[in-house]
Amino acid sequence: AQSVSQHNHHVILSEAASLELGCNYSYGGTVNLFWYVQYPGQHLQLLLKYFSGDPLVKGIKGFEAEFIKSKFSFNLRKPSVQWSDTAEYFCAVNFHNFNKFYFGSGTKLNVKP
Amino acid sequence: GAVVSQHPSWVICKSGTSVKIECRSLDFQATTMFWYRQFPKQSLMLMATSNEGSKATYEQGVEKDKFLINHASLTLSTLTVTSAHPEDSSFYICSARGGDNTEAFFGQGTRLTVV
Repeated sequence: AQSVSQHNHHVILSEAASLELGCNYSYGGTVNLFWYVQYPGQHLQLLLKYFSGDPLVKGIKGFEAEFIKSKFSFNLRKPSVQWSDTAEYFCAVNFHNFNKFYFGSGTKLNVKP
Repeated sequence: GAVVSQHPSWVICKSGTSVKIECRSLDFQATTMFWYRQFPKQSLMLMATSNEGSKATYEQGVEKDKFLINHASLTLSTLTVTSAHPEDSSFYICSARGGDNTEAFFGQGTRLTVV
């Protein structure tokens, strides 16, 4: 069955530290990949997406993600986090052949000022 | 991006009653709509996928007769929680997309509280 895995459940960083959140999916066919952020008390917001082309995708707020097809991964990165990045981050995958759009379990990021 | 409107944004109902949640794509035709529920401090769990004009495909463990999904037009899908119970209290979110290789856009969600 198709699935999306986020292995880091809770990450605590100090401001200016670099961030990398892992996302892996289970299926080798055609996929579209997304990262969403949910700030406390707010709704989902799209950070970035990958459909095709350059596997290194730049998103909003200085985030980027790299699609590595051979590893079924789409890790989210930011070189220098800020306190305002404190939120929960969700990886999501659209599995084409199955018409499914699944979310990972989420990673809660706490950035200490 | 495209706009998906979900209504109501919150609802309180008595146990045993039914509640209907609407999801509309305002400026595009949604061939596919997804329905999720999100428990507090948890991720979005896909409940079902619906394509316009056909029956919804439910995820394992989701009761079809309890969560009725209708996708009668290219701009509207509804989720009806039938005979609601307190354990159905949750945050329900819809998303819609116009085609296979397009982004899905999310509604603002509906907070359902069953008392």
